[in-house]
Amino acid sequence: GENVEQHPSTLSVQEGDSAVIKCTYSDSASNYFPWYKQELGKRPQLIIDIRSNVGEKKDQRIAVTLNKTAKHFSLHITETQPEDSAVYFCAAAYYGNNRLAFGKGNQVVVIP
Amino acid sequence: EPEVTQTPSHQVTQMGQEVILRCVPISNHLYFYWYRQILGQKVEFLVSFYNNEISEKSEIFDDQFSVERPDGSNFTLKIRSTKLEDSAMYFCASSEKQNYGYTFGSGTRLTVV
Repeated sequence: GENVEQHPSTLSVQEGDSAVIKCTYSDSASNYFPWYKQELGKRPQLIIDIRSNVGEKKDQRIAVTLNKTAKHFSLHITETQPEDSAVYFCAAAYYGNNRLAFGKGNQVVVIP
Repeated sequence: EPEVTQTPSHQVTQMGQEVILRCVPISNHLYFYWYRQILGQKVEFLVSFYNNEISEKSEIFDDQFSVERPDGSNFTLKIRSTKLEDSAMYFCASSEKQNYGYTFGSGTRLTVV
């Protein structure tokens, strides 16, 4: 099955700086890659996703890039704010199946 | 914004007891899922459900687990004989399209003692 790895496990950034989290996946058939933000004790919330037919997608301060050849995708958060502090999970799926394979998560800490 | 609702938010049960975790998916969603998250670990897939039957399940979802959609709104996960290692946060999710654009519920924290 699909195996998703996330790096780094913890990331501390100064407020206003950028944060980048990278994920790698193993199954070349995967074609859907969502990112979830989970604040302490709360549900995972979808923040952005990308399909394999595009290389980049942006939504305000958040962007995701996908490199299908290398089988990795990254989350970019610009102009970080304290409320960006959370655990971020990447996931991968093949559209034809019914499960998301999650990475282990990255703890992002934005230092005011 | 529509939400997936889960009850209870926290359940404590004795080992060997049966538990039922309840979920109300978003009303126009057709695909339903259960995931679990052991404290500090990744979110793990348990089962997906579509058209009143299981469409996929993981190796975690053994004979102790079952799912049901008893009426038009509820989606339940039953664990027949709980074990200590079943202690986790259980998330229900639903989506309008297959495996795309999930909305997660707020979770049920199950503690088996």
